[in-house]
Amino acid sequence: QKEVEQNSGPLSVPEGAIASLNCTYSDRGSQSFFWYRQYSGKSPELIMFIYSNGDKEDGRFTAQLNKASQYVSLLIRDSQPSDSATYLCAVNILTGGGNKLTFGTGTQLKVEL
Amino acid sequence: EAGVVQSPRYKIIEKKQPVAFWCNPISGHNTLYWYLQNLGQGPELLIRYENEEAVDDSQLPKDRFSAERLKGVDSTLKIQPAELGDSAVYLCASSQIAGTSYSGELFFGEGSRLTVL
Repeated sequence: QKEVEQNSGPLSVPEGAIASLNCTYSDRGSQSFFWYRQYSGKSPELIMFIYSNGDKEDGRFTAQLNKASQYVSLLIRDSQPSDSATYLCAVNILTGGGNKLTFGTGTQLKVEL
Repeated sequence: EAGVVQSPRYKIIEKKQPVAFWCNPISGHNTLYWYLQNLGQGPELLIRYENEEAVDDSQLPKDRFSAERLKGVDSTLKIQPAELGDSAVYLCASSQIAGTSYSGELFFGEGSRLTVL
């Protein structure tokens, strides 16, 4: 089982719709969860983080965390073509070398006009 | 504020040749990371430095890869000799805090794209 799992997509949504991106993780002890956005040919940039169960909203973005189910998601409301990118889920996982930020493979989102 | 600076942006070499990548982190960031990213995959950690100390190098293939961070600022990642499978993007990132269960705000450079022929 991979430490952080995401559906690679592509996930296609029409402009103005809600995009829902999902991620599961294997380490029950993980405390912090992050969503990075990566445009094609560019480097990842942090867009959201969440530490507690429940929802966290920031503008059009909502991160949702359910530690019991080991599940974290990102909702993008009113999706825009500029949201088309790969979204990487990252989880802090405790290893022998301390906490390590571990990335999933990413989900490609395409917002269509 | 300047971001994380990496060079070169692109490098094409023949297999068995050496290659080096350089990274200058954001000023004041004591933690520096080197990640490798293959096409269609997420970044994979190679090594993490806290100041001058390599605190996690468990995923660094030490037979051919080496890294250093002199004076706790700039860092260099070297591959010698390069193999075909080393073709990837090498990302440098920095952060202010690390090692805790809540650290995860990394600032990435633009990456160095390596092609090994």
